[in-house]
Amino acid sequence: GAVVSQHPSRVICKSGTSVKIECRSLDFQATTMFWYRQFPKQSLMLMATSNEGSKATYEQGVEKDKFLINHASLTLSTLTVTSAHPEDSSFYICSAIGTDLAKNIQYFGAGTRLSVL
Amino acid sequence: QKEVEQNSGPLSVPEGAIASLNCTYSDRGSQSFFWYRQYSGKSPELIMSIYSNGDKEDGRFTAQLNKASQYVSLLIRDSQPSDSATYLCAVSLTSSNTGKLIFGQGTTLQVKP
Repeated sequence: GAVVSQHPSRVICKSGTSVKIECRSLDFQATTMFWYRQFPKQSLMLMATSNEGSKATYEQGVEKDKFLINHASLTLSTLTVTSAHPEDSSFYICSAIGTDLAKNIQYFGAGTRLSVL
Repeated sequence: QKEVEQNSGPLSVPEGAIASLNCTYSDRGSQSFFWYRQYSGKSPELIMSIYSNGDKEDGRFTAQLNKASQYVSLLIRDSQPSDSATYLCAVSLTSSNTGKLIFGQGTTLQVKP
């Protein structure tokens, strides 16, 4: 149980285009999902917390107009990188909290490697 | 002071040895603690969760928590080359009711055959 699917696994795009990444909880309902970014040799950096049916909460320094997050259902959250630039190239990972909220266990998707040319 | 601190390593141990990974945290009210393993180029996978003081064992893995010392560790017995990865310590924030975690920088473990 507690499987999180993330798609696509890899995307290469031209500078100025927008990229959408999907994160789905396959066998549980996820009221909260998280979006992280990870640069090479660095740890996970939380970008935003996504709650179903409400606006995402962004971490300090993360541009909400650039990284659009939508959590329209209990099983799907999307991250759209708008007008991507080479400095946005990174490994983007989503996670979801399972049904046992008290235990705070986050289950991670496989990640999306974004390369902006 | 970083909220969650780990020695970045690399920690090198021979195959079959015990690997000991350590983590300290600054939020005294934290209640949930996790160890994730991350292979190069992959996303983190949960190894252990621990919520109360003491030891918790799962196969070759033992997590140890000492809230008074704000210290959590992970022991890997009979280390295998396949255990070579980065191990991330994660701690819940008392101030957050959303399940938000703070991750350490990770410790790179190398198990040499």
